Amino acid sequence: GDSVTQMEGPVTLSEEAFLTINCTYTATGYPSLFWYVQYPGEGLQLLLKATKADDKGSNKGFEATYRKETTSFHLEKGSVQVSDSAVYFCALNLNYQAGTALIFGKGTTLSVSS
Amino acid sequence: NAGVTQTPKFQVLKTGQSMTLQCAQDMNHEYMSWYRQDPGMGLRLIHYSVGAGITDQGEVPNGYNVSRSTTEDFPLRLLSAAPSQTSVYFCASTRRAGSSYEQYFGPGTRLTVT
Repeated sequence: GDSVTQMEGPVTLSEEAFLTINCTYTATGYPSLFWYVQYPGEGLQLLLKATKADDKGSNKGFEATYRKETTSFHLEKGSVQVSDSAVYFCALNLNYQAGTALIFGKGTTLSVSS
Repeated sequence: NAGVTQTPKFQVLKTGQSMTLQCAQDMNHEYMSWYRQDPGMGLRLIHYSVGAGITDQGEVPNGYNVSRSTTEDFPLRLLSAAPSQTSVYFCASTRRAGSSYEQYFGPGTRLTVT
């Protein structure tokens, strides 16, 4: 079945370090791919998305490129800040299901220290 | 716009009790969903609705009922609470964004069943 696998955390970095969180997916159709972020005690917020192969989503210094050949959507940021500490979820959505079924990875906790 | 609102924020139930988790959105979105979040499991879809009067099951529907009498409201009912339903529950509404869909999450309800 359709699924998302993301690297296990926690990921611990110093401020200004480079961040990569790996995400790969399995899907029978042509999914849209998303990264969501969850700050402590809050709900999930959409961070970025890509809807087709080779699309790059970007927001707040984060980037991810939809790689169909490797079925991946890795999240990167060149210089993390303490305020980026949160849980990051990779997710896919099969468009024909009209947005009702996001399939999530298990989440990766990022902790950034100053 | 208030976005997606959920009540209550916290709830403690005894085994066998029933309750309703409320969810409302003021964005006139057709699609709404309920997820549960458990440690190390990511988010899993419980039920979803593609419009008023139309609901369907997600990945983990057992023990939960939903109804959708209006576009704005999508309550989740626990008929007889069990300890396995201890979790954080998130409601989401979905909007069409170009060729894909984006989900907006509420702040969550933390439920403990003793």
